[in-house]
Amino acid sequence: EADIYQTPRYLVIGTGKKITLECSQTMGHDKMYWYQQDPGMELHLIHYSYGVNSTEKGDLSSESTVSRIRTEHFPLTLESARPSHTSQYLCASSEFTLGELFFGEGSRLTVL
Amino acid sequence: GENVEQHPSTLSVQEGDSAVIKCTYSDSASNYFPWYKQELGKGPQLIIDIRSNVGEKKDQRIAVTLNKTAKHFSLHITETQPEDSAVYFCAAIIGDYKLSFGAGTTVTVRA
Repeated sequence: EADIYQTPRYLVIGTGKKITLECSQTMGHDKMYWYQQDPGMELHLIHYSYGVNSTEKGDLSSESTVSRIRTEHFPLTLESARPSHTSQYLCASSEFTLGELFFGEGSRLTVL
Repeated sequence: GENVEQHPSTLSVQEGDSAVIKCTYSDSASNYFPWYKQELGKGPQLIIDIRSNVGEKKDQRIAVTLNKTAKHFSLHITETQPEDSAVYFCAAIIGDYKLSFGAGTTVTVRA
């Protein structure tokens, strides 16, 4: 059983609001990732981190930002949400680069 | 993603029959190919993976084959059961050790 947690699971907010999606893991993994999963189910990497104070943008351009101040915590922030940000956001962590990704259950965001 | 193509997008099989999902990748340097299963309302979970130095790997009813020359790999599920119904994703390592996922295959096992 993976020890990676995302909150909130579901969030409905209005345009222009600032939101933070939380992700925490208790496995001590250095590598953490955020994926955006669109209605067609495809997974797109939007941010990743290989350790504390290390963050990189992924393959899909995103207006969100991330931080990695502690190993176990990798929050994602949208400063001003728009309807185009409506999606599911999945957080994951891994011990090795060529190894299993452990996913959280996702945060489904709806922006009205 | 454009680096990994997955087919079919949907697959319906009779319980007890086999299911096969195929993926192709573009980066000849890719050397790690995992398969993930995503059930409704949950995050994807690794079910099997294969590295480039192996041509086939099997785990009970699940097997994966890899053809590095043709740059394609496949997932085989035998004796399908209702609990096999889910979305399956293939993936490959591209570029600087990031995973690129296929678009997913929705598998439905008919009782």
